[in-house]
Amino acid sequence: DGGITQSPKYLFRKEGQNVTLSCEQNLNHDAMYWYRQDPGQGLRLIYYSQIVNDFQKGDIAEGYSVSREKKESFPLTVTSAQKNPTAFYLCASKPSPVDTQYFGPGTRLTVL
Amino acid sequence: EDKVVQSPLSLVVHEGDTVTLNCSYEVTNFRSLLWYKQEKKAPTFLFMLTSSGIEKKSGRLSSILDKKELFSILNITATQTGDSAVYLCAVFTSGTYKYIFGTGTRLKVLA
Repeated sequence: DGGITQSPKYLFRKEGQNVTLSCEQNLNHDAMYWYRQDPGQGLRLIYYSQIVNDFQKGDIAEGYSVSREKKESFPLTVTSAQKNPTAFYLCASKPSPVDTQYFGPGTRLTVL
Repeated sequence: EDKVVQSPLSLVVHEGDTVTLNCSYEVTNFRSLLWYKQEKKAPTFLFMLTSSGIEKKSGRLSSILDKKELFSILNITATQTGDSAVYLCAVFTSGTYKYIFGTGTRLKVLA
């Protein structure tokens, strides 16, 4: 089965703890993206990566970190520096050279 | 600053109505415009538009792009309750190769 998987589906953490969200794809896509969605809002770009071992900050990168050591994987760490981390997080990937982006099912993070 | 603006923010219609959703953009290095439907979780792809004036159609949904006036519309005819969702518009930019999303239009179709 080809696709993008994100885990876990729901995540609860105490304030001050770092947490890592997983994103894996077996579509052989080169580019991967992380977005944050808050209620009633569109998607805001956190980080993105065009190729392995390279990534760029998006519009709201503060308090987040990523790595891209393998083509299939693009984990996102939400650090304690992120002031309001409770949100719905979406991972996406895109094949080259097509512009269509495909999304994973998302992780809903709640910080208590 | 690059931006994508969608209107209306929300819309309530009855089954059978036709709706038009708008997306305008001010973006440097425009490459393509995409429409997505988001029901509860992950957005699903609807259309990608790159050329002005060419309508894309899929069943009751259609979309067109005007690159001169910098906007796109998404039309849904004979709406059904299953069309209830948030519709997102995004512009893909060359150079930075990132997507800029609008805030979405929330459509509710009443039976």
